[in-house]
Formats: sequence, structure tokens, C-alpha cells
Amino acid sequence: QKEVEQNSGPLSVPEGAIASLNCTYSDRGSQSFFWYRQYSGKSPELIMFIYSNGDKEDGRFTAQLNKASQYVSLLIRDSQPSDSATYLCAINTDKLIFGTGTRLQVFP
Amino acid sequence: DVKVTQSSRYLVKRTGEKVFLECVQDMDHENMFWYRQDPGLGLRLIYFSYDVKMKEKGDIPEGYSVSREKKERFSLILESASTNQTSMYLCASSLASPTNEKLLFGSGTQLSVL
Repeated sequence: QKEVEQNSGPLSVPEGAIASLNCTYSDRGSQSFFWYRQYSGKSPELIMFIYSNGDKEDGRFTAQLNKASQYVSLLIRDSQPSDSATYLCAINTDKLIFGTGTRLQVFP
Repeated sequence: DVKVTQSSRYLVKRTGEKVFLECVQDMDHENMFWYRQDPGLGLRLIYFSYDVKMKEKGDIPEGYSVSREKKERFSLILESASTNQTSMYLCASSLASPTNEKLLFGSGTQLSVL
């Protein structure tokens, strides 16, 4: 079992819809959780982080963490074509472990 | 504008060559990292450093070495390049704990070994 799992996608959503990206992890001792966005041909950039169970909102982005079920999600409200990118989940155990990413396509 | 700068965007080398990838950050960050990114495999940690002259192996250190003589500079060295080291190499830096997971990445070096 991979330490951090993401569906590779692509996840296709229409403009204005909610995009839901999911990530599961295996280490119950994980303490901190991150979402990075990577545009094609570019390097990853940090967009959200969450440490506690529940929801954390930042503009159109909401990170959701459920430690009991070992998953973390990223919701993007009012999706825009400019949100089209690969989203990488990262989990900190004793080091930062990245998932392979989910490719999101937002079509007009 | 704070940033992590990698010296080359594209690099083509021959098998057996010694290759140096340079990374410089201007944010006075303690921590620096080297990753490689391959399709389907994601980001894999090669080496990292939490202080000058300090280095730690990551998940895939074989065939690589690193040097950190100054706080702002972290170099990745391929002693004898091989075709399986063709990849995108990403350097990153971060502050010391507790925020050390918030990585700032450089723009990457696409290395091709022929």
C-alpha cells in the first residue's frame, strides 16, 4: 500500500462547479497535511495546509481532514479554467511524503 | 520577491559525465531539499539538509551526492550520470520547524542523459 494515494484523474468539472480532490494516507501518526498545485511545466506551489480535524477555508479553497478515516480533501468552489492543474497531496510523518497528484481539468 | 533559483532550466549530458545542479535561495531558510519528479512516480526525495555542511539521505540517494558549504546554496551532484537519471529535478527550501513542511520550490531542471 502506498503511503499517500490519490486518483490520477483527470477529474473534469465545468466552470463554476465544485471540484473535489481526495487523498488517503496510511500512517496514523501523520500530523500535518498539505495541498500543492502544479501547473503543467511548472513547479509545485503550496496552496493549503491543515493540522486539525475538520475544515479550513481560504477563499475558494477548503481543506478537509478526517484523521479517523485517514483522508484529506480539497474542495475548490466556483472552479475556473485557471484552476486546471495537477494537485499534489503531501503528508508529514517524519518527513514529507507526496502523492502522485490528481489532474484537474475545468472546462468552460 | 523571495525565490529559489536553479541554475539551469534544461540540461543535456552524456552517460558517465559528472553533473552539477545548483540551487540558491534568498530567504535565509535553514532547510533545503532535492527532489526528482517522474511521471507516475510523483516527487521523490533524494537528499536534504537542515544546516550548513549537514546532509541527510532521502528515499533515493543512490547515484547522487550533495554539498552545502553555504546556507543559501545546495548543490546536487551526479557522480557518473546514467540514462535512468533523466528526470525533472526540483530544489526546495523551508524555514526550520515547526514550519519546515511549507516548501518553496525552484522552477526545476529538466535533465536528459543520453
